[in-house]
Amino acid sequence: DAKTTQPPSMDCAEGRAANLPCNHSTISGNEYVYWYRQIHSQGPQYIIHGLKNNETNEMASLIITEDRKSSTLILPHATLRDTAVYYCIVRVALAAGNKLTFGGGTRVLVKP
Amino acid sequence: NAGVTQTPKFRVLKTGQSMTLLCAQDMNHEYMYWYRQDPGMGLRLIHYSVGEGTTAKGEVPDGYNVSRLKKQNFLLGLESAAPSQTSVYFCASREAGDYNEQFFGPGTRLTVL
Repeated sequence: DAKTTQPPSMDCAEGRAANLPCNHSTISGNEYVYWYRQIHSQGPQYIIHGLKNNETNEMASLIITEDRKSSTLILPHATLRDTAVYYCIVRVALAAGNKLTFGGGTRVLVKP
Repeated sequence: NAGVTQTPKFRVLKTGQSMTLLCAQDMNHEYMYWYRQDPGMGLRLIHYSVGEGTTAKGEVPDGYNVSRLKKQNFLLGLESAAPSQTSVYFCASREAGDYNEQFFGPGTRLTVL
């Protein structure tokens, strides 16, 4: 799986958009970009994933650059409950035994 | 739907004791996983299952055994607990197929003294 690089931490104001960057310059053509988050003391939670097109769901939007070497997760209106560690994961299709490899992630603190 | 549940939520063991962690899911998922997460670190896969009656080793299987006698349940056993197994254990499940996300349980915090 391609290596990802994320900033270790960032703050965001409540109600504002949070833009979380991820660098994955060694991504290969068949690898997807996944985002998960882990709220303190809880299990990881799936947010979104994409291959090359931008994606949006009820939780977030995922913007992938044209060369696919980086992406940005956007939380459109951050709330205090969005405080968590956010993980960007790049991997091929999730074959049965393929584990999720969580790197350091970005610790996001949403402030009132 | 309850999703993925784990029992117990907390447990303290003495070295050499045994215990079983239970994971249950009500989403009819084919695949189930056991991970461990140590402080400040990411998840490491212990064992996984691709269906009832099947199990396979993950990244760190030593010291653990698993069983999947029923599709909805995935049990993780520690036969002789060691302090190195102090960790938070997460169970996850997902549908079969290439791109389906994993759903995680709330975790079991285990301390081995």
